[in-house]
Amino acid sequence: QQQVKQSPQSLIVQKGGISIINCAYENTAFDYFPWYQQFPGKGPALLIAIRPDVSEKKEGRFTISFNKSAKQFSLHIMDSQPGDSATYFCAATKGGTSYGKLTFGQGTILTVHP
Amino acid sequence: EAGVAQSPRYKIIEKRQSVAFWCNPISGHATLYWYQQILGQGPKLLIQFQNNGVVDDSQLPKDRFSAERLKGVDSTLKIQPAKLEDSAVYLCASSLETRLSLHFGNGTRLTVT
Repeated sequence: QQQVKQSPQSLIVQKGGISIINCAYENTAFDYFPWYQQFPGKGPALLIAIRPDVSEKKEGRFTISFNKSAKQFSLHIMDSQPGDSATYFCAATKGGTSYGKLTFGQGTILTVHP
Repeated sequence: EAGVAQSPRYKIIEKRQSVAFWCNPISGHATLYWYQQILGQGPKLLIQFQNNGVVDDSQLPKDRFSAERLKGVDSTLKIQPAKLEDSAVYLCASSLETRLSLHFGNGTRLTVT
């Protein structure tokens, strides 16, 4: 019940295209859903996050779509750039003192070709 | 602000040996986490500290792993004895007590041969 399932495992997109990564969770106690971006040799960095009281959040070229009834959320990267090539992780956590106790998905390796 | 500092960056040991990792969180961050990231997987929480007290160590293999955070600042994670399956990147992260976002260090890559 603590799992977060992420797909696809890898994704290849042309420059300027849209990258879409999907995640599904089981635990309805989760109430904060961040996405992290990780470059080789670096730690994960927070990209964007959403709470379940909204269905969409947009920051620049990055958008999270959230479907509470389906227990699914996705990351959309518009106008994908070669510099976006990285591993993306969705995550989920409960509230209160548990915010930092993240349950991560398995990761998606995104490659954006120029 | 300076980021989360971790050392060493890489460590290679033989199985059954011991190893220790060090983390210096962002100044003022009361909460510190250790995560284990096995190649090809997402990070998995090992332990959470609030100041110098343990909040959650339910996923820490306590028969071989130990961690401490003296004086509520730096932290060390130790493995003794190491097993082959401990090969992973060990990530330290910190956050302000009431903030939501974690700041991760660049990790220590451990290889157990």
